[in-house]
Parts: sequence; C-alpha cells; structure tokens
Amino acid sequence: EVQLLESGGGLVQPGGSLRLSCAASGFTFSNYAMTWVRQAPGKGLEWVSGFSVSGSTYYADSVKGRFTISRDNSKNTLYLQMNSLRAEDMAVYYCAKGAVGGTYYHGVDVWGQGTTVTVSS
Amino acid sequence: QTVVTQEPSFSVSPGGTVTLTCALSSGSVSTNSYPSWYQQTPGQAPRTLIYSTNTRSSGVPDRFSGSILGNKAALTITGAQADDESDYYCLMYLGSGIYVFGGGTKLTVL
Repeated sequence: EVQLLESGGGLVQPGGSLRLSCAASGFTFSNYAMTWVRQAPGKGLEWVSGFSVSGSTYYADSVKGRFTISRDNSKNTLYLQMNSLRAEDMAVYYCAKGAVGGTYYHGVDVWGQGTTVTVSS
Repeated sequence: QTVVTQEPSFSVSPGGTVTLTCALSSGSVSTNSYPSWYQQTPGQAPRTLIYSTNTRSSGVPDRFSGSILGNKAALTITGAQADDESDYYCLMYLGSGIYVFGGGTKLTVL
C-alpha cells in the first residue's frame, strides 16, 4: 500500500524556521515527482512546491526564496525547509505523490494526512 | 499571474448529474494543462479523483469523469450520492514547473 506520512509541524514564532518531512512507502520513491500542498484554516488548497524525478525544483511565488524542497531517495523521504515564516504560512501541509512515474506534470494521486504549522508569537 | 476559477458552490439532487468546471484566466484549458480533480471533506486530506484530464485514480467509481468542455476543464458526477457532498478542487499545470489550484467548489447534494 502506498503511504505518505508527514511530520515536523508545530508552533513557531514569526521569522522562525521549521523542517517538514514526508516518509514514503509502498512505491519506488525515486521514480516519482513529489509535491507539497498547503491549506490555511478555512481556505482552499495551495500548491507550494514540487520536485521532479530529474532533480528540478519549483516553488510558488509566495514561498520562493524562503522555502526549500529536497528529497533523499535513499531514505524515501521528502523535505520542506521553511525559513522566515510568516503568519500567512500557517496551514496544514500535505505531501503528495506524482500521479505518473517518470513525469512531473500529471498532477498527484496519493496524499499524506498532513502536518500542521502554526506561526504565532 | 494566472488565476484558476471554479464555481464557488453548486447544488445537485440525489441521483442527478452535475458538471463542475475550471477555467484559466490566461486562456483556454487544454490537455497540456493536465487538469486534475480532488475531493475533500472537512477535516480530511484531499482525495484524488481524476488526473491528466480524464484518468480516474485508483478506486474512484466511474460515475466520476473528467473532460475538456469548450475552453474549460470539467468534472462530471453522474448519479450523485449524499456522500458526494464535499469540496472539489481542480489543479492546473501552467508550465515551467508551476501548478495552481482553483478556489474550490462546495457541492451540496439535496
């Protein structure tokens, strides 16, 4: 069974940092693009960042320069390093698996349960 | 900046058919937008229904279907059931590695 398990969320002060992790199992992790999506309280889904199979990384304008996506294929784990956090970054953060192996642009098919990031002083 | 627009809300009768749509502010939706659709109920993670315009995700019943209608992406639900009452989001690939979600449609079944 394909599973994604996020961790690393918590309470952080404005300007602080957090690193989220997403542990993957049940599929050949290195063959799939991976994505981070977030959802602020009471709001819709927002695409945050993507990591292609070829190693390219992509970011929404709202996080570019502050967040860094990375992956460790030997550990089947996706990461999101979040720096200079703002109140508007407060959200549930989901990782998601690319829908089609070897490609980046087909959307996602499996989601984790999410991890909550709270930004407050 | 490209905006993806969905109907904010929609209502369907049990057993009825409803088509939700997704439009791009910058032009027409095509298969190169690789539209995908997601269902979310309150407090739960999203569930993938459709990817790459019209491919159903594993375990999704065939009463959910995706298509391009005119210049929009479309999700059609036939034989609506009470547990289809959810929020529905589309996701569009804009190119250069960038995706954008639509604002979501709240579907009521009554």
